[in-house]
Formats: sequence, C-alpha cells, structure tokens
Amino acid sequence: DAGVIQSPRHEVTEMGQEVTLRCKPISGHDYLFWYRQTMMRGLELLIYFNNNVPIDDSGMPEDRFSAKMPNASFSTLKIQPSEPRDSAVYFCASAGNYNEQFFGPGTRLTVL
Amino acid sequence: GQQVMQIPQYQHVQEGEDFTTYCNSSTTLSNIQWYKQRPGGHPVFLIQLVKSGEVKKQKRLTFQFGEAKKNSSLHITATQTTDVGTYFCAGRGIGNMLTFGGGTRLMVKP
Repeated sequence: DAGVIQSPRHEVTEMGQEVTLRCKPISGHDYLFWYRQTMMRGLELLIYFNNNVPIDDSGMPEDRFSAKMPNASFSTLKIQPSEPRDSAVYFCASAGNYNEQFFGPGTRLTVL
Repeated sequence: GQQVMQIPQYQHVQEGEDFTTYCNSSTTLSNIQWYKQRPGGHPVFLIQLVKSGEVKKQKRLTFQFGEAKKNSSLHITATQTTDVGTYFCAGRGIGNMLTFGGGTRLMVKP
C-alpha cells in the first residue's frame, strides 16, 4: 500500500485565492482526519470523517474552511478565500479503527 | 474540553544521555498513543497504551501509562542522533476523540 497520499506537497498562493488540498486515505480505512500544524499552535485537528460522513468539525477555524469526502478514497480541504495566517502544514491521516493513525506527507501551504 | 499537555517543549541532550518527555491530561483517558515526527516529516505512530500502569518497551524506548490513566511518559535510554525529532502524545478521552499534546522537540548533540 502506498500509504496516505496528499497533493500538492507544496502550495504557494496569494491572499484571497482559493486553495484546495487533496487526500487519498489508505484503502479500507474508515476514518479520515485533517490536521493543521504550525509552530505557534502545534498539531490541531480540524475535522474528521467516519465512513465519509463528517463527525466533528469543531476544529475548523472559520467559514472560509470546508472539507468534503465524496467517497471512501478521496477527501478535500478547501480554503476560500485564503489568508496569510492560513500558512501551515496540513496533514491528512486515516485510521482503520480507534487505533493508530497513518499520516500523509503533508501539504506545506504558504499564503502571501 | 479535553486538554493534553506535554513537557518539556524542547530538550537538548548530549548523545548517550537519557531523555524523558511527560504527558498530562485534564481528563481520564481510555488510551494514549505516542508518535514521532522527524524534522520535515510527518507524525509516525510508535505505540498505544491502554491499561492502567502499563509499561511497554521498544528497544531503548520505554513508555508508561499512569495508574490514574491521566498521564504518561516516554523515556529514551542512551540517546542517538537518530532519535532527533518531535515526540507527541495523543490521548483518547470522552467521545473517543484523540487529542494531541504540543510535542517535545528532542535535539541530540553528537
């Protein structure tokens, strides 16, 4: 298995632009998580899905952030409009049960 | 809500010295997990502890879960340069939510 796949690996955009981050979880995993990591705030859980259904989105910072999981093998995290303070590394992780989470390599987002 | 605190935030050690990071939860946990993130990498699962007072070892790493299931520690014996990275604990509490601690960044001087 290739593990969790994220794209793009790096994204540089200008303030106000729409950004879409993509994630392909490990096949067979029922849970998918989106995290954001910054030096100031550490690793924050933004939202997680179970069987493609959003379960808890209380970590989503504001309405500019949205996440979808249209099927078991694909999820997106969208920021519209993006702001400089959104600059961070965004990780997607998947899990087969309430045990270990497998993280993707992350997307490093820079908003100028 | 549930909070998971880790100390210290940073630790510099000389290669060969021991290292310990501590994790404390504001609530009782059903289990706790530990992850390691190398510089520029992503968190990688190390271990999960479930039972009160549980101790597990992985080579030079020793993990403990407190009797009250509210704290945990990771001890590395005789650190090596390959141990460099940030170590995160993640506690699972009410609602089965996994909450990550702030991490302890370990730096090892050769």
